[in-house]
Parts: sequence; structure tokens; C-alpha cells
Amino acid sequence: SQTIHQWPATLVQPVGSPLSLECTVEGTSNPNLYWYRQAAGRGLQLLFYSVGIGQISSEVPQNLSASRPQDRQFILSSKKLLLSDSGFYLCATTGGRHYGYTFGSGTRLTVV
Amino acid sequence: DQQVKQNSPSLSVQEGRISILNCDYTNSMFDYFLWYKKYPAEGPTFLISISSIKDKNEDGRFTVFLNKSAKHLSLHIVPSQPGDSAVYFCAASRVTSGTYKYIFGTGTRLKVLA
Repeated sequence: SQTIHQWPATLVQPVGSPLSLECTVEGTSNPNLYWYRQAAGRGLQLLFYSVGIGQISSEVPQNLSASRPQDRQFILSSKKLLLSDSGFYLCATTGGRHYGYTFGSGTRLTVV
Repeated sequence: DQQVKQNSPSLSVQEGRISILNCDYTNSMFDYFLWYKKYPAEGPTFLISISSIKDKNEDGRFTVFLNKSAKHLSLHIVPSQPGDSAVYFCAASRVTSGTYKYIFGTGTRLKVLA
């Protein structure tokens, strides 16, 4: 079965600092990978998805970027964080016994 | 444009009674729907799914109903238990496109009272 690892679990960063969140997947090859964000009082917003190494699609124009340097690694980055980047970031992959996602445990990012 | 809507931000139900969570969508191309349950500071976990070729899917205490003409789905939890207290998200996708991009609703916070 698939397992998603996300780290760190919690992060507090000052405005203007860089960001790197990492997600790795086990138990599958060539997965579709996704980054979602849940902002306070809002639903889950799709930020980026990738169907293969080096292939990134952006859903929402923003201060963030994503990269997929290896088949089972997905990285979310920012060069300079904004207060509005605060939120709960989730990595997900497809597969399993349904057509939906398996989510990681998430990273709570607070920009101060 | 919010393609998937959960118009009730919260719901309180007595233990043992039925919980009904609702979800509306606007895109008639969606062909697969999911319900997820989420506890604070955790990733969402899959509950139940339904394909657009069906109008009902049941798994234990959880049943999802799909009304395609109304573009509406609902999740029924019977009987409700205190451990069901969480935020519930519905999600929709056009899986035939191959990208499996799910659009999520804003969630409904369910509180089951003991």
C-alpha cells in the first residue's frame, strides 16, 4: 500500500524568508502528486499537480512554486514568504482502492 | 467560481441519530465523487466514493447518495457516534480526464453530541 511522508509537521517562518516543504511517496511508482492548501476557514485548494518527473502544473497564481526532481519526491517552495501563505499544506497522491487521494499528514505553516 | 459547495459550515447531531451532510456541484462533467473526513492537524482520510453511473453507495454506517439531475450529493451517517465529530469534505473530479484533479468543498464541521 502507498504511504506519503511529509515534513516538517509544523513550521513558523518570518515574512520574506524562503520555504521548502518536502513530500515523498512509498509503495508506488510514477504516481500523480498534488499539493493542496487549507487556509483558515476555507476548503482545500489545489495548488500544483504533477504527472511525472519535471512536469508541474500550477492551478493558482501565487507566491509559491513546486518541483519534482525524482519520481516519488514533490517539493513546494517559496523564495519570499507572505503572511497570506500561512495555512495547512497537504501532499496527496492517487491510487489505492478508489480513484481518490491518499493524503500526507500535512504541514502547518505560520508566517509571522 | 466555487464548483463544489458545502453550504452548511457546521452541523450538530445527537448520538445515535442520523447525520446528513450535503454537497452541491455545478460542473456536469464531474464523474466521480468522494467524501473525506478530517481531524485537526491531520490529513483527510477517505470515507466513501460514488461514480456518476450510480445513485447510491453504502459502506457500513456511511451511505452516499447522488442526484445527477440536481447536481447534489449527500452523505448519511447512521447511527452517528461521538467519534464521527470532524470536518467532512466532499470532492468531485472528472476522472476520465486522467489527471484526477479533485475540487473540494469548503467542508462541514460535524459535532455529534453524547
